[in-house]
Amino acid sequence: DAKTTQPTSMDCAEGRAANLPCNHSTISGNEYVYWYRQIHSQGPQYIIHGLKNNETNEMASLIITEDRKSSTLILPHATLRDTAVYYCIVRVGGDSWGKLQFGAGTQVVVTP
Amino acid sequence: EAQVTQNPRYLITVTGKKLTVTCSQNMNHEYMSWYRQDPGLGLRQIYYSMNVEVTDKGDVPEGYKVSRKEKRNFPLILESPSPNQTSLYFCASSLLTGDEQYFGPGTRLTVT
Repeated sequence: DAKTTQPTSMDCAEGRAANLPCNHSTISGNEYVYWYRQIHSQGPQYIIHGLKNNETNEMASLIITEDRKSSTLILPHATLRDTAVYYCIVRVGGDSWGKLQFGAGTQVVVTP
Repeated sequence: EAQVTQNPRYLITVTGKKLTVTCSQNMNHEYMSWYRQDPGLGLRQIYYSMNVEVTDKGDVPEGYKVSRKEKRNFPLILESPSPNQTSLYFCASSLLTGDEQYFGPGTRLTVT
């Protein structure tokens, strides 16, 4: 699976959009981009995933560049409960292992 | 409510005393997995199972055993725990191997 690079930390004001970047320059054509988050030692929580097209769900939007070498997770209206470590993961969709290789992630702190 | 449950949530034990951490999911998921999380090392996969009676090693299987006799349960067994197995453990499940994974609340294990 391709490796990802994320900033170590970022702050966001409550009510504003949080834009979390992720670089995955060695991503392969059959690898998806997944985002999970972990709120202080709780179990990681799935947010969203995509292959090429931008995706949106009730939690967030995922913007993938045309060359697929980077992506951005957007939390449209950050709340204090969005304070968490956010993990960007690339992996082959439907692979027989189902392994998620978590990196260090981005610590996001939402402030009032 | 769809969920992954783990028991116990907290456990302090002594070196060499066999223990089992249970994991159960009520979503009829085929795929289940165990991870451990350590400071500075992130989440690492221990074992996974793609279906009943089908299990395989992840990245850090040494010192652990698993079994998958029923679809809903995937216990993690430490036959002879050692202090280096002190960690936060997460169980996860997904419908299929490539789907989003649902994580349990975690089990914090301390081996003295």
